[in-house]
Amino acid sequence: DIVMTQTPLSLSVTPGQPASISCKSSQSLLHSDGKTYLYWYLQKPGQSPQLLIYEVSSRFSGVPDRFSGSGSGTDFTLKISRVEAEDVGVYYCMQRIHLRTFGQGTKVEIK
Amino acid sequence: EVQLVESGGGLVQPGGSLRLSCAASGFTFSSYEMNWVRQAPGKGLEWVSYIGTSGTTIYYADSVRGRFTISRDNAKNSLYLQMNSLRAEDTAVYYCARDLYCSGGSCYLAFDIWGQGTMVTVSS
Repeated sequence: DIVMTQTPLSLSVTPGQPASISCKSSQSLLHSDGKTYLYWYLQKPGQSPQLLIYEVSSRFSGVPDRFSGSGSGTDFTLKISRVEAEDVGVYYCMQRIHLRTFGQGTKVEIK
Repeated sequence: EVQLVESGGGLVQPGGSLRLSCAASGFTFSSYEMNWVRQAPGKGLEWVSYIGTSGTTIYYADSVRGRFTISRDNAKNSLYLQMNSLRAEDTAVYYCARDLYCSGGSCYLAFDIWGQGTMVTVSS
């Protein structure tokens, strides 16, 4: 099974400052079709999860451009260029190259 | 409006059974792969099961394989999760999630629409 490891598990950020979350997979997420199946989801307090980023770096419809995803193979990063109050919640990475596995989640709060 | 609405959750004793439903509306359900994802109280997300558009391709997480059965009825725009031999560790909010995002003429595999979830509590 593929294990997804996120760091840090919690993050306290001053509004307007950047934030970065790392996600490492136990196996490469590069598929033979050339795509890398790494996703980022955000679960805001009291809400269902919502898609932020698909295939490493593509922003889902309506996601602000302050969110960006990068990485390859087994190492991936989600960056928020300037954190806003509405960005609080738990961020999860997920792989789907073999079944589907979520990372443990990273809780982002505002200082 | 594109929407997924789960139902069927509740309190069940260990060893018991429960059937969850997910009603889809606002899109052509038969064209979309679907998943169940769960979240134990205060814990992270755990993928549970996947079903292809026709229902012939199915995957399960190791934690539920042999006890849970995913199915769909495209005529009724509905997704199901039959849960048998329930354990305390199955206690969670269960979400259904649509598995395809289409934009600008291209489609991408992604859980783009999620339901609000239904709570399952396994306890004596």
